[in-house]
Amino acid sequence: DAGVIQSPRHEVTEMGQEVTLRCKPISGHNSLFWYRQTMMRGLELLIYFNNNVPIDDSGMPEDRFSAKMPNASFSTLKIQPSEPRDSAVYFCASETSGRALETQYFGPGTRLLVL
Amino acid sequence: QQQVKQSPQSLIVQKGGISIINCAYENTAFDYFPWYQQFPGKGPALLIAIRPDVSEKKEGRFTISFNKSAKQFSLHIMDSQPGDSATYFCAPLSGGSYIPTFGRGTSLIVHP
Repeated sequence: DAGVIQSPRHEVTEMGQEVTLRCKPISGHNSLFWYRQTMMRGLELLIYFNNNVPIDDSGMPEDRFSAKMPNASFSTLKIQPSEPRDSAVYFCASETSGRALETQYFGPGTRLLVL
Repeated sequence: QQQVKQSPQSLIVQKGGISIINCAYENTAFDYFPWYQQFPGKGPALLIAIRPDVSEKKEGRFTISFNKSAKQFSLHIMDSQPGDSATYFCAPLSGGSYIPTFGRGTSLIVHP
């Protein structure tokens, strides 16, 4: 199994540009999570999907952020417009049940730098 | 309001020593207490977890100790090895919310 796949692994963009991060969860997993990690704020849960439906998006910082899961094998996190404070490592994670973290597998992350 | 306080922020131990990382929480609804390990450039990975019906769980060199009355749980790494050098996170959660509460992390360095 290839594990959770994220792309791109690194992204450098300029302020105001649109950024799209992609995630392919492990086949058969029915829950998907997006996290953001920074030195200042640590690891934050942004949004959680179960069976492709957003269950909790209370962690999404503002309207510039949006996430979709059109099918069980693909999710996107979009930032439009991007700002320097969005610079962080973004992780996607998937699991087999609705219980967060019990069997959760993280991807390698996308390191985003907004200039 | 910080619901989870992890300490220390960083820890340096010699090879063969014992590493101890603590996590204090406020939410009495938490009923699952995991520790995650994260190596540089990688995502976190579940290391070991405990439920409140037991006070201790051991897996190899890693042990979780749980003190319900004190609302604390800790990770003990026995015979610490350089390969254990990583960042460790506690992330307790309750069955009702399914949302983990991550600690700020502890950077562990084990010197050879």
